[in-house]
Order: sequence, then C-alpha cells, then structure tokens
Amino acid sequence: SQQGEEDPQALSIQEGENATMNCSYKTSINNLQWYRQNSGRGLVHLILIRSNEREKHSGRLRVTLDTSKKSSSLLITASRAADTASYFCATAYGGATNKLIFGTGTLLAVQP
Amino acid sequence: GAGVSQSPSNKVTEKGKDVELRCDPISGHTALYWYRQSLGQGLEFLIYFQGNSAPDKSGLPSDRFSAERTGGSVSTLTIQRTQQEDSAVYLCASHPTGGSYEQYFGPGTRLTVT
Repeated sequence: SQQGEEDPQALSIQEGENATMNCSYKTSINNLQWYRQNSGRGLVHLILIRSNEREKHSGRLRVTLDTSKKSSSLLITASRAADTASYFCATAYGGATNKLIFGTGTLLAVQP
Repeated sequence: GAGVSQSPSNKVTEKGKDVELRCDPISGHTALYWYRQSLGQGLEFLIYFQGNSAPDKSGLPSDRFSAERTGGSVSTLTIQRTQQEDSAVYLCASHPTGGSYEQYFGPGTRLTVT
C-alpha cells in the first residue's frame, strides 16, 4: 500500500500548547498537503508544500518537508479548543491523475 | 461561492440493493475525485474525472462500483449489489485544472449497508 503513516495516532494537549504531528510516505512526491477533518465528515485543506520546498507557514501552522527522509511535520502553535479535529497528510505524485494518498491521521484533542 | 455538495448525506440500504451517490462539484472545476473513508481502510482513492478525458478508475474496489460524470459537472457513484463491507463515508472532491492542486471536499455521504 502507498498509504502514508502518521504519528502520533492521537494527541491530547491543553489550550495554548503547541501540537506537532508527523507524516511519513513511501515514494517520491510532487507535493504534500495537510487536511483537517471535524466530526468524521468533509476535509478542509490547510496547507500545501511542494517537493522543492522545505518549510512553509500559514497563520499558526508551520509545515516542514524532508524529502531525503520522506517525512513531513505539521506544527500548530498556541492551540485552541477549536483545533480539535483529525489531521491527515496527503501526498500527490503528479502525473495525469494527481490523486491524493492519505495518511492514517492524527486525532488531536485540545482541552480548554 | 457554493462548495462541493453531496447527496444524500446519509443512506441506509439493505445488503444486495443498488445505491447511487451524487456529487455536485464547484462550478468551473474540471477535476473531480471520489474517495472512500472507512474504519478499517482509512481514506482511499476510488476514481478521477478530468474534463472529457477517460476517467482513472484504478481505485475502484470491484466491478460493482461505477461512476459517471455528465456534462463535465455532476457525478454519480453507483454501487451495485451492496455488501456490508461497502459501509463507509464516500467523499467527493474537485479542483480547477492546473493551479495548486489543493482539493475541495464535500461533506460526504455516510453509507450503511445492513
């Protein structure tokens, strides 16, 4: 299976703390994306990092990509209760389809 | 503007029946995907449509699954002779041709086969 792995599977933190999630994948990619899913429905795109980029920021989000280790991390700073959700990394391999291969997800719980 | 919409939001069906799931992509988006999210398998790609090109059906799990996209817009995913293992949330996503390839997802259809 091409599916990526994420760790931890679950993470519980207090509001205001930082949350870090990691993603590993198996083959060379075109880009890597992070999505958030609330209540088991719909996914919302958070950030995309291309294979020639090493770090990207968006608001309280920071993503890193290490193509030599085939891994990425998502850091959420100053977490809020509203950040409680499942977070998925998804890799795109380009080509004709650009289908996404999703990781197994990290369930983040931010305690108020 | 309106996002990706899917209907129905929930569907309960008896084993052996056929079901149709509908997806309305964002207007102007030429690329459309179907994914399935189930407890045992995570999120998996099913099928991809791009304009008038032949669809990529490589993710369809069996020949009981098929999909159409009429007029380059609305798509219907059909599951024939449903089985209990088909129970999952079926997600549709779209994006414009080119650009960043971020995908816009609908809320999904939760299918339960009893």
